[in-house]
Amino acid sequence: DIQMTQSPSSLSASVGDRVTITCRASHSIGSYLNWYQQKPGKAPKLLIYAASSLQSGVPSRFSGSGSGTDFTLTISSLQPEDSATYYCQQSYSILWTFGQGTKVEIK
Amino acid sequence: EVQLVESGGGLVQPGGSLRLSCAASGLIFGTYWMSWVRQAPGRGLEWVANIKQDGSEKYYVDSVKGRFTISRDNVKNSLHLQMNSLRAEDTAVYYCARADYYANSGNFYYHLDVWGKGTTVTVSS
Repeated sequence: DIQMTQSPSSLSASVGDRVTITCRASHSIGSYLNWYQQKPGKAPKLLIYAASSLQSGVPSRFSGSGSGTDFTLTISSLQPEDSATYYCQQSYSILWTFGQGTKVEIK
Repeated sequence: EVQLVESGGGLVQPGGSLRLSCAASGLIFGTYWMSWVRQAPGRGLEWVANIKQDGSEKYYVDSVKGRFTISRDNVKNSLHLQMNSLRAEDTAVYYCARADYYANSGNFYYHLDVWGKGTTVTVSS
């Protein structure tokens, strides 16, 4: 199975800060990498698919990059509504896996 | 509007069974792969199972293989998860999700773009 490891596990940043979350795959997965945002008590929401494609309706301050084993989710200017947990997920293997999540808090 | 609504969750004893359902509307259900994803209390997301459009292919996370069965009814626009031999560690919110894809240079990049609100399964004596 392909393991997905996110870092950091949590972070605290101020409104307007640039925030970067990293996701590393245990095997090369090309660009088969998606990012989701989840707020407490809510279902996850798709942000980025195929490593760098922005899902329709998602603010342009969110962006994704990377390929192979190393990927990044960037929030260019953190907003209060971005307080959430973020997950990466690989769809390269027929057995999909998620990262363990990164909790983003607003200072 | 595309909508997925899960049902069938509840409290069940260890070793028991439960059948989850997901009612789909606003989409041509039979044209999509579908997935179940779960989240244990205070934990992260875990992919559980996928099923192909016509039900001919099914894939499961190792921890549920042989105990859970994913199925679908394309006439009734519904997805199901039959859960047998339930364990305490199966306690979670179970989400139904649509797997769409982005095609580029012959590659199909699947992602979960529509999610239900989830149904809660508690396995406890």
